[in-house]
Amino acid sequence: KAGVTQTPRYLIKTRGQQVTLSCSPISGHRSVSWYQQTPGQGLQFLFEYFSETQRNKGNFPGRFSGRQFSNSRSEMNVSTLELGDSALYLCASSPSNTGELFFGEGSRLTVL
Amino acid sequence: GENVEQHPSTLSVQEGDSAVIKCTYSDSASNYFPWYKQELGKRPQLIIDIRSNVGEKKDQRIAVTLNKTAKHFSLHITETQPEDSAVYFCAASIWETDKLIFGTGTRLQVFP
Repeated sequence: KAGVTQTPRYLIKTRGQQVTLSCSPISGHRSVSWYQQTPGQGLQFLFEYFSETQRNKGNFPGRFSGRQFSNSRSEMNVSTLELGDSALYLCASSPSNTGELFFGEGSRLTVL
Repeated sequence: GENVEQHPSTLSVQEGDSAVIKCTYSDSASNYFPWYKQELGKRPQLIIDIRSNVGEKKDQRIAVTLNKTAKHFSLHITETQPEDSAVYFCAASIWETDKLIFGTGTRLQVFP
């Protein structure tokens, strides 16, 4: 089975721009969640989707949004980028409500 | 709010020694406690997990213990090897969801 695939792997944006990150879960996994990883804050939960519905949302501003499609693929969008949004964005999928997450390699975003 | 504290932040041991990492969680509703290992430049990977109806779980050289009353859980690695060197994250969640609250990580270095 292919693992969790995230695209793009690396990207550079400037302040004020927006970015869309994509995640393809492991085949058969219906739950997708997103995490932000930074050296200072560690791994922080962004959102969780199951069957196209957002089940949980972390404590991030409204500039961070996401969605899930009928094939379980997910995207997250960050608008009006700030320098502090520079981070590794990790997507994870799980079989269903098990809590066992399989992470992708991440999308490393640099905001200049 | 939900919080997971993790100690120590760094840990250096000699090959063959044991390593212990401790975590404390705040949300009494948490009932699933996974541990992830993240090697440099790689994705976090689940190494062991425990659910609240169990006090201890072992898998070869690693074990996890849980004290629900004190809201503590710990990772024990015996007979450490250089390949155990990585950052280890504890997390807590309600296992029906994929919203994990992570600790801040422990950088383990095993010296030959």
